[in-house]
Amino acid sequence: GAGVSQSPSNKVTEKGKDVELRCDPISGHTALYWYRQSLGQGLEFLIYFQGNSAPDKSGLPSDRFSAERTGGSVSTLTIQRTQQEDSAVYLCASSPLAGGETQYFGPGTRLLVL
Amino acid sequence: AQSVTQPDIHITVSEGASLELRCNYSYGATPYLFWYVQSPGQGLQLLLKYFSGDTLVQGIKGFEAEFKRSQSSFNLRKPSVHWSDAAEYFCAVGAPGTGTASKLTFGTGTRLQVTL
Repeated sequence: GAGVSQSPSNKVTEKGKDVELRCDPISGHTALYWYRQSLGQGLEFLIYFQGNSAPDKSGLPSDRFSAERTGGSVSTLTIQRTQQEDSAVYLCASSPLAGGETQYFGPGTRLLVL
Repeated sequence: AQSVTQPDIHITVSEGASLELRCNYSYGATPYLFWYVQSPGQGLQLLLKYFSGDTLVQGIKGFEAEFKRSQSSFNLRKPSVHWSDAAEYFCAVGAPGTGTASKLTFGTGTRLQVTL
């Protein structure tokens, strides 16, 4: 079956522009996660969706970052007014259950802010 | 809050040699434990996981890991490394049964280099 897919694979943008990153989780997975992988910071949790519950946004670094999940499936991570420090690989993962079940990762979107 | 320490940033081994990557965690109870591997330009692939039961866990690609509660460790091992194992390895901890607190906390990773 298909794994987690993310688009675009790479994104180059200018400082101050907004970007949208997309994640298609594995069909039937109820939980969806966004992580950021950057030099010097490792892998950081950003946000987590589980079914119809309110998302856990505790990892979002600023109010420029937001995410939504439509219809319990596809998710979009939006970064407004991008800064150079936003340059990183943004990884999406999904899992069939909450509470520590195995998370399956997509290939990531590599974002470069010039 | 949970935390993970991978004390080795970079390890070099010869092909055919044995490998052990260290992982120590901090958590108030028994967590869920994972090892992921990331090849250059790729996403994270799950190698193995521990939730409960037998403390020696077998994974893909010939890897295994042992959960040692007394040492708060979950070290990854492979008896004979192949050149294709060169990659970055991440240990991660998740909190079981905590509902919304299902995010993974990752270690900083260990980069494995394999010499021929």
